[in-house]
Amino acid sequence: DGGITQSPKYLFRKEGQNVTLSCEQNLNHDAMYWYRQDPGQGLRLIYYSQIVNDFQKGDIAEGYSVSREKKESFPLTVTSAQKNPTAFYLCASSLGASGYTFGSGTRLTVV
Amino acid sequence: DAKTTQPPSMDCAEGRAANLPCNHSTISGNEYVYWYRQIHSQGPQYIIHGLKNNETNEMASLIITEDRKSSTLILPHATLRDTAVYYCIAVVPLYFGNEKLTFGTGTRLTIIP
Repeated sequence: DGGITQSPKYLFRKEGQNVTLSCEQNLNHDAMYWYRQDPGQGLRLIYYSQIVNDFQKGDIAEGYSVSREKKESFPLTVTSAQKNPTAFYLCASSLGASGYTFGSGTRLTVV
Repeated sequence: DAKTTQPPSMDCAEGRAANLPCNHSTISGNEYVYWYRQIHSQGPQYIIHGLKNNETNEMASLIITEDRKSSTLILPHATLRDTAVYYCIAVVPLYFGNEKLTFGTGTRLTIIP
């Protein structure tokens, strides 16, 4: 079945460490997105990519980095520059007006 | 993208129709209305979208007013599994996936047994 896989489901990070969240899709979608969600809040766009080897900053890109070397993959790195990284991270993909398909999310906690 | 306004919370009795309103008074002629829902600790799920005609699928119906300034999502026979946060979004969809969806805080719908 086609879908989006995010891993890991839960991730713990020590302060000052970089961590990379995985997002893989087999839907053949062109566009992929990373969102961050804090408790009781809506989703905020971190980065998005419309095509391989191209990506754009979203509303809260500071402290994050991404790559899009393959159509299927859009990993997100949370760097030590992100001051408050504890959050629920969601990856999505889309093909035009067909709507977004979301992954099940990664819950990142800084310890 | 046009700003949308939704009530923060609503209750609905199980088995009844849940009607979720959304105001989008500044919507432009080429912006579609999309609805998503998010069940606790999961990724949002696409429900339905429309431009100006009413739409229906296996999950819900979408009623858009003639002036397109507001819409209503209807879940015809709500079940406990419909308890979720529902997001209404106005956006111009483009083929290359350029529709960066902006999710507000949505409406928290609670289905009461």
